[in-house]
Amino acid sequence: NAGVMQNPRHLVRRRGQEARLRCSPMKGHSHVYWYRQLPEEGLKFMVYLQKENIIDESGMPKERFSAEFPKEGPSILRIQQVVRGDSAAYFCASSLTSNTEAFFGQGTRLTVV
Amino acid sequence: KQEVTQIPAALSVPEGENLVLNCSFTDSAIYNLQWFRQDPGKGLTSLLLIQSSQREQTSGRLNASLDKSSGRSTLYIAASQPGDSATYLCAVNRAQGGSEKLVFGKGTKLTVNP
Repeated sequence: NAGVMQNPRHLVRRRGQEARLRCSPMKGHSHVYWYRQLPEEGLKFMVYLQKENIIDESGMPKERFSAEFPKEGPSILRIQQVVRGDSAAYFCASSLTSNTEAFFGQGTRLTVV
Repeated sequence: KQEVTQIPAALSVPEGENLVLNCSFTDSAIYNLQWFRQDPGKGLTSLLLIQSSQREQTSGRLNASLDKSSGRSTLYIAASQPGDSATYLCAVNRAQGGSEKLVFGKGTKLTVNP
């Protein structure tokens, strides 16, 4: 049973470009969460999704950021018109239910140049 | 607002020593608490999960305790080894209406010297 898979592992974007981060949850998991880890900071919750639904996006910046978890395929975190401050490690986690153990992927390290 | 604090921020010990990492949280209404390990440039590995009704969990040389009423958890590592060197993160889950938000501390960076 493969773990949570994130790709790409590293992503470099120029300011103003779009970044698309992908996350495939563990098999059988329908709950997906995205977290961001800024340099020297703790992980901060961004968004919680179930298949085709956004359950909680209270941690998402109001502009430029969006997330989806379609019926088929991976969850996508999309950042439009990236700025240097978006440089961070973005982690995806999945769980079987909303209050069972969360398993994390290896993360995508975004660098905006 | 839930806040999670981990003390110390960094810890350096000689190999073989037993050690305790501390985690405190401000809101005792939690469903569970997880301890994770993060290696540099890598993802998070779940070490132990303690449900709110439990007092402790053990896995090998690791033992985690939970005192929900006082808002504290400790991670005990026995007979530390250089391979234990990593950042240890504590996170609490306060699920409301089906929404899970893990709230993380900033971590304790552990170095075990051979």
